[in-house]
Amino acid sequence: GNSVTQMEGPVTLSEEAFLTINCTYTATGYPSLFWYVQYPGEGLQLLLKATKADDKGSNKGFEATYRKETTSFHLEKGSVQVSDSAVYFCALRNPTGNQFYFGTGTSLTVIP
Amino acid sequence: GEEVAQTPKHLVRGEGQKAKLYCAPIKGHSYVFWYQQVLKNEFKFLISFQNENVFDETGMPKERFSAKCLPNSPCSLEIQATKLEDSAVYFCASSRQQNTEAFFGQGTRLTVV
Repeated sequence: GNSVTQMEGPVTLSEEAFLTINCTYTATGYPSLFWYVQYPGEGLQLLLKATKADDKGSNKGFEATYRKETTSFHLEKGSVQVSDSAVYFCALRNPTGNQFYFGTGTSLTVIP
Repeated sequence: GEEVAQTPKHLVRGEGQKAKLYCAPIKGHSYVFWYQQVLKNEFKFLISFQNENVFDETGMPKERFSAKCLPNSPCSLEIQATKLEDSAVYFCASSRQQNTEAFFGQGTRLTVV
């Protein structure tokens, strides 16, 4: 079946620290992979995506690389800001496209 | 439009009453998804559509939940005889193609009292 496992939070970092949020997946076939971010009281916003192995998605200083050999899509950012405080969700869409599978979310708080 | 529009933003229903939620997908998007967010973070899949056809309904509690996406109308999610455990935020999303990202609406917060 299809599933996404991401690291438990909450994560608290100081401003300018390095961020890694781990995400691994199980899927039949070759899924597309995504990171979404949710700010309080809002819907999910797409942060970045990758549709095939070795693709690197990047946006606003965040990066993630689609690793087929380790079935992973870890999110990284070199220097976090207070405005990055939010909940981050790793997700996959299976090749048939009928649904998205989400991880349980990782809450990030960045302190000045 | 350029964003997924969900209405209403908030809905309060007494237990046993009906609730109806609406979603206007982004123009040109063929796929619509409904998710229920409970316990702050968990996203539970309910149903998806490809145009007006049900694509996957494996997440729907069929005895009380129903959904439609008709041409030239907003999609809808209806809950007959709401229960306390239906209290959640319901998100709608749309995507253009079968393997692309989905864009999410701001959600409808349903409170059953």
